[in-house]
Amino acid sequence: TQLLEQSPQFLSIQEGENLTVYCNSSSVFSSLQWYRQEPGEGPVLLVTVVTGGEVKKLKRLTFQFGDARKDSSLHITAAQPGDTGLYLCAGGTEDSNYQLIWGAGTKLIIKP
Amino acid sequence: ETGVTQTPRHLVMGMTNKKSLKCEQHLGHNAMYWYKQSAKKPLELMFVYSLEERVENNSVPSRFSPECPNSSHLFLHLHTLQPEDSALYLCASSQDLQLAGGEEQFFGPGTRLTVL
Repeated sequence: TQLLEQSPQFLSIQEGENLTVYCNSSSVFSSLQWYRQEPGEGPVLLVTVVTGGEVKKLKRLTFQFGDARKDSSLHITAAQPGDTGLYLCAGGTEDSNYQLIWGAGTKLIIKP
Repeated sequence: ETGVTQTPRHLVMGMTNKKSLKCEQHLGHNAMYWYKQSAKKPLELMFVYSLEERVENNSVPSRFSPECPNSSHLFLHLHTLQPEDSALYLCASSQDLQLAGGEEQFFGPGTRLTVL
């Protein structure tokens, strides 16, 4: 069974602090995506990484794909209340074109 | 309407009821999905349709019955559900079935289902 372990499960920090969320697996992924889900809404794609070692930046968010394509991290600099939400990672594999491996999510709360 | 819409947004039903969830995508996509989202668990893929044909039925109990009458609409018919079926049911669409390559999925807001 392929798993994507996401940590931490829950994080509550003050505005302005930095944080990192991790997704780890023993499986190799052809792609890795990060989604953010706000209360009452569906997940929205933030970024897709496909190359081992790849780093992508989206304003204060930095995403990294591990060299071996088995893990990924999301780093937020100077967190804002608007960053509050459920962060989900999802990995694509060569086994299936439609079955992604999903992490259980990190619930992030940024307090003003 | 734009994107992916779902109705109803909330549903409470008894175990003997029959109800249906509706999803509509306005993106011209060819693939549609039903997911179940439970707290602290990974998203569970239930059904996948590509060009109105069912591609995947992930060992889902028969009390869940999908229907895809055209490429823009997807239904999930529910009957004799159990309390453990209470969850957020998400519909999603993508241009094609290329998720392994990082194709984006667009999600609806979900239907919050409570089974009493």
